[in-house]
Amino acid sequence: DQQVKQNSPSLSVQEGRISILNCDYTNSMFDYFLWYKKYPAEGPTFLISISSIKDKNEDGRFTVFLNKSAKHLSLHIVPSQPGDSAVYFCAASGSGTYKYIFGTGTRLKVLA
Amino acid sequence: NAGVMQNPRHLVRRRGQEARLRCSPVKGHSHVYWYRQLPEEGLKFMVYLQKENIIDESGMPKERFSAEFPKEGPSILRIQQVVRGDSAAYFCASSDAYSNSPLHFGNGTRLTVT
Repeated sequence: DQQVKQNSPSLSVQEGRISILNCDYTNSMFDYFLWYKKYPAEGPTFLISISSIKDKNEDGRFTVFLNKSAKHLSLHIVPSQPGDSAVYFCAASGSGTYKYIFGTGTRLKVLA
Repeated sequence: NAGVMQNPRHLVRRRGQEARLRCSPVKGHSHVYWYRQLPEEGLKFMVYLQKENIIDESGMPKERFSAEFPKEGPSILRIQQVVRGDSAAYFCASSDAYSNSPLHFGNGTRLTVT
């Protein structure tokens, strides 16, 4: 029972263009969402988060959009750089709870 | 200003041996989580601990696996009588709050059971 889904296992984007990574969730109790980046042989690194009271949060080249009615969030990276090539995980947690549920990840490749 | 420290980075065990994975959280963090990542899969929640207490171990197999976070010292994930299916990357994460606070991950321990 996968409550957080990343349906695209991989994505290739040209350097300088926009990368859009998608994530869907099924549990309407989730109200806090995060994106992590992971390089091989390293742990996930926190990128950006969003609370359900917002529909957009921006941090430099990274923007997360939340569509609560569709139970969908996306991460936009613009402009994409070769160093952004990594696996990206979205994660979600419910109100006042501690358990973070992760998606299966999307492998982003930014082509120079 | 150390982050989450895990050791060892790589651990090789024969079937039937015990594996001990250690995790020191970010200084000041009292919430510790263990996640497991199997090849080509996402991160699966195993257990959540606070100092001296296991809060939720619902993601951990009932047999052979145990975790602790003592008052002093690192958190330990212990796997007894390892089997080949235990081969995975085990990540520890810590946070400073109960909820709505990002998890900070260590670089993981890659366990290989031969």
